Amino acid sequence: DTGVSQDPRHKITKRGQNVTFRCDPISEHNRLYWYRQTLGQGPEFLTYFQNEAQLEKSRLLSDRFSAERPKGSFSTLEIQRTEQGDSAMYLCASSPGTQKGETQYFGPGTRLLVL
Amino acid sequence: DAKTTQPPSMDCAEGRAANLPCNHSTISGNEYVYWYRQIHSQGPQYIIHGLKNNETNEMASLIITEDRKSSTLILPHATLRDTAVYYCIVRVAKEVGDYKLSFGAGTTVTVRA
Repeated sequence: DTGVSQDPRHKITKRGQNVTFRCDPISEHNRLYWYRQTLGQGPEFLTYFQNEAQLEKSRLLSDRFSAERPKGSFSTLEIQRTEQGDSAMYLCASSPGTQKGETQYFGPGTRLLVL
Repeated sequence: DAKTTQPPSMDCAEGRAANLPCNHSTISGNEYVYWYRQIHSQGPQYIIHGLKNNETNEMASLIITEDRKSSTLILPHATLRDTAVYYCIVRVAKEVGDYKLSFGAGTTVTVRA
C-alpha cells in the first residue's frame, strides 16, 4: 500500500501523559498536513509542512502541541500534558507540492482517547 | 475561502443515482469546488474537483452551475459502500501557502438496500 500511513491507529492515555503520533506521507510528496477531527465534526486544520519547513500553524495548535518533519519525509505530532479535550481523531494528509490547488490525500488517522 | 451549505443528511436506494447538492453562493472566480467523503472511522477520501466545467471520473460526476453558485455531486449507481459523510469544500488555489481544507459538517448519505 503506497498511501499515507499513520501510527498508531488507536491510543488510550491518561490525562497529563505525553503522546506522539507518526505520519508517513505518500513517497515524494513534499507537502504534509495535520488535521484534528472531533466527534460529529469535520476535520480542522492544525499545521502544514513544505518539506521540512513548518509554514503554517492553526490557533488550535496550543503550546502543548508540537509537530516536526525533520528530514522532509515522515512527520511526528506530539501532545504534551494531554487533556480530555484532546480526545479526537488526528489525521495526516500529503500532496505532491508541485502545483497549486493540489489534491490532499489522507491517512486512516490516529484516534486518541484521553482518560 | 467561500462557505458551503449542504443538507445534513439524505437517503438513497442502492443501485440508483445519488445527487448531492452544495451551495456556494459567495464563490470567487479562482476558487475550486472539491468533494471528499469519509466512511465511518476512516480518513477522508478525495472524490473529485472542478473549477468551471463539469467533471467526471471513475467515482463520480461533478456538475457546476453556470454561475458557479452551486454544484451537484452525482454517484451514478450508489452501493452500500457509498454510505459516508460527503464534504463539499471550496478553496482557493494559491501559488504559495496553498494548504488547508476547510471542512463543514457535510452530508451524511445513507444508501439503503
